[in-house]
Amino acid sequence: EIVLTQSPGTLSLSPGERATLSCRASQSVSSSYLAWYQQKPGQAPRLLIYGASSRATGIPDRFSGSGSGTDFTLTISRLEPEDFAVYYCQHYGSSLWTFGQGTKVEIK
Amino acid sequence: QVQLQESGPGLVKPSQTLSLICTVSGGSISSGGYYWSWIRQYPGKGLEWIGYIYYSGSTYYNPSLKSRVIISVDTSRNQFSLKLSSVTAADTAVYYCAKTSYSSRGYWFDPWGQGTLVTVSS
Repeated sequence: EIVLTQSPGTLSLSPGERATLSCRASQSVSSSYLAWYQQKPGQAPRLLIYGASSRATGIPDRFSGSGSGTDFTLTISRLEPEDFAVYYCQHYGSSLWTFGQGTKVEIK
Repeated sequence: QVQLQESGPGLVKPSQTLSLICTVSGGSISSGGYYWSWIRQYPGKGLEWIGYIYYSGSTYYNPSLKSRVIISVDTSRNQFSLKLSSVTAADTAVYYCAKTSYSSRGYWFDPWGQGTLVTVSS
């Protein structure tokens, strides 16, 4: 089973700043099978990125995904007030979906 | 667009069976092309995929839960359901249902239901 490790655990930033979130896989994975989600308190996760770099429908272009092999990144170019939330990466492989433990982006 | 809604008891006694239903609206499970999954989120916020079903009834479960899980589908009601047997306090979580896409670009969950908290306690 592939383990996804997200860092940092918490990211303290101000609106307008750039956020860079990391997701590292325990072994090399296909970038096609890497996705990112945003979760706000009391809500279900929302799909942001699939295939490592494709934005889901309706997701603003300030969100971007990149990476390959074992290292993947979610970048929020300029944080808006509504972007402060928890972000999870997710991988599919060997008929199993796994999630990272999450990165909280909080207001500094 | 497709929407999902979970329903079921919020409190289950230890050793009993947890039963939840997911009702799909805005689209038909029978149209095919997607899996329909159950996912849970522990109080500490970790997410765990439980399993999926296809409209035909074929299923696949997380090996860690396989011995206790049954997912079934009722296409006439556009619903699918989860049964988790022999529950313990460790099964306390928010349970989500989600439409599951698969393609050459990957496998992902979108959209999700709002989730329902199930507490296992006597």
